[in-house]
Amino acid sequence: GQQLNQSPQSMFIQEGEDVSMNCTSSSIFNTWLWYKQEPGEGPVLLIALYKAGELTSNGRLTAQFGITRKDSFLNISASIPSDVGIYFCAGQLRYKLTFGKGTLLTVNP
Amino acid sequence: NAGVTQTPKFRILKIGQSMTLQCTQDMNHNYMYWYRQDPGMGLKLIYYSVGAGITDKGEVPNGYNVSRSTTEDFPLRLELAAPSQTSVYFCASSWTGGSTGELFFGEGSRLTVL
Repeated sequence: GQQLNQSPQSMFIQEGEDVSMNCTSSSIFNTWLWYKQEPGEGPVLLIALYKAGELTSNGRLTAQFGITRKDSFLNISASIPSDVGIYFCAGQLRYKLTFGKGTLLTVNP
Repeated sequence: NAGVTQTPKFRILKIGQSMTLQCTQDMNHNYMYWYRQDPGMGLKLIYYSVGAGITDKGEVPNGYNVSRSTTEDFPLRLELAAPSQTSVYFCASSWTGGSTGELFFGEGSRLTVL
């Protein structure tokens, strides 16, 4: 089956720092997505990318859909304590999503 | 304003017991999904449904069964619980098969099999 390699597995940063995480795949996806999961909750969609090369921002979050359609990255600028959580990338082909293993982000105030 | 509702939130089972995780959504979504989440492993698709009466297997269907008799409900059944099924289970739904990628997730059901 399709697999996504997400890195890093975890990050521990100081408030105000920028964060970068990425996902790569051996398969092509039509859509790349980034979700955030907070403790005790289900994942919530942050950003969706629909075209190769697309760069999209949502507040302090910026994500890009790789040209090869096999990778994506997510940047968070000026991190704040409420950014803590697990961030998942997901690739979509037809109606199924394949998720990465997640990046656990901890922000030290 | 309920969205996707899962019950129970927590359950402990003995090996060999059976149970059903309930999932209902009030958004009139056609597509529904069951995922399991294990620590450090992301979410794995168990089963999905593209509409009432239609279900199909995902990546990890063994040991589970589903049914979709109505648009709103998508229960997940474990027939003979095993320790390997200890996990957090998430139900999700989407309007257009997730073509926008926006799956709406429930809060999860934490299952422990002892």
